[in-house]
Amino acid sequence: DVKVTQSSRYLVKRTGEKVFLECVQDMDHENMFWYRQDPGLGLRLIYFSYDVKMKEKGDIPEGYSVSREKKERFSLILESASTNQTSMYLCASTLGTGVEGYTFGSGTRLTVV
Amino acid sequence: KNEVEQSPQNLTAQEGEFITINCSYSVGISALHWLQQHPGGGIVSLFMLSSGKKKHGRLIATINIQEKHSSLHITASHPRDSAVYICAARGGGADGLTFGKGTHLIIQP
Repeated sequence: DVKVTQSSRYLVKRTGEKVFLECVQDMDHENMFWYRQDPGLGLRLIYFSYDVKMKEKGDIPEGYSVSREKKERFSLILESASTNQTSMYLCASTLGTGVEGYTFGSGTRLTVV
Repeated sequence: KNEVEQSPQNLTAQEGEFITINCSYSVGISALHWLQQHPGGGIVSLFMLSSGKKKHGRLIATINIQEKHSSLHITASHPRDSAVYICAARGGGADGLTFGKGTHLIIQP
């Protein structure tokens, strides 16, 4: 089974800190995604990547950046965390052919205080 | 941009009841996903549909491409089915998925 592993289940950070959320997948998937999930808003796409060193903005990229130096790892970076970035963050990956499913990580619940 | 609407938003039922969750979307898609999220956050992919019907255990998912509508059914519901069920429409782009806001299902014993 494909596994998507997010490095932290819960994180508490202070306003202004630089925060790294890590995501690793083990099945050579091309596409990787970062979403945030908020009550009443559902899942929203922050950034995605379809290849190493490639990145594309999603619907809500402001305040975030990403890094994909290796195919299996996709990092989400909060350059200067703010309280409105308190959320559940979910990573997902897919092979990229368009006919397969998505595999999600277990999520990281980030609280910015 | 695709709009994905789910109904109902919340559903409480008794154990054993037949459950239906609906999903409609506004523009053509390549596939429709049904996802399950338990308390604690992790999301599991239940089905990916591009036509017809799929069944896995007590779960059945159907899609009508012409009507832009999909349903998720749970037969003989059980308290362990309590979760948030999310539908997501996949378009043609690399990012693909547009999510509904989810249906919060509670099955009472």
